[in-house]
Amino acid sequence: DSGVTQTPKHLITATGQRVTLRCSPRSGDLSVYWYQQSLDQGLQFLIQYYNGEERAKGNILERFSAQQFPDLHSELNLSSLELGDSALYFCASSQQGAQSPLHFGNGTRLTVT
Amino acid sequence: GENVEQHPSTLSVQEGDSAVIKCTYSDSASNYFPWYKQELGKRPQLIIDIRSNVGEKKDQRIAVTLNKTAKHFSLHITETQPEDSAVYFCAAVGAGDDKIIFGKGTRLHILP
Repeated sequence: DSGVTQTPKHLITATGQRVTLRCSPRSGDLSVYWYQQSLDQGLQFLIQYYNGEERAKGNILERFSAQQFPDLHSELNLSSLELGDSALYFCASSQQGAQSPLHFGNGTRLTVT
Repeated sequence: GENVEQHPSTLSVQEGDSAVIKCTYSDSASNYFPWYKQELGKRPQLIIDIRSNVGEKKDQRIAVTLNKTAKHFSLHITETQPEDSAVYFCAAVGAGDDKIIFGKGTRLHILP
């Protein structure tokens, strides 16, 4: 168990809808990262937060947004969903920033129909 | 920005043989290079990492080498076992940067 909790485990929704994915980092970890992994694809970096503030941004679509709350949990909001958004979304946390090992959650599998 | 290339995309080796996965990076300022293993249907997990002030690091059957001049680093797995079958991702992190850039992954098959 990595100590990173992601909910829900599975999400099935229709095109055009909006969903929220939630992540609770390991106790003591200040950084939270979001990654998208499509079928048989690599880990696409979306966004990173450190202690409540956005620290780095990857190829995150404008339809997607995220935030980290004062208790350090994070939410990833995906709106106007398209079929191509179907993927496994991982949250990871680290003690400091990117120079520390990442601890991944078990992911949320999103299926858009 | 940083770009990480990983080869090969698929690798099959006989059980007991060695496996080598290679990565190159573009940003000479990168100074932290972790490797993650992702078993089928599971989350990625760190297996070994190396920092730029070190040329080689070993942990039992796993080793990583770093050539800063050539900007490439490699993962070596010796005496491969069936449980080594997985997708392996290399990554690079720039100094003072919070982006962890992953390679596209190598699917390793251990043949009986």
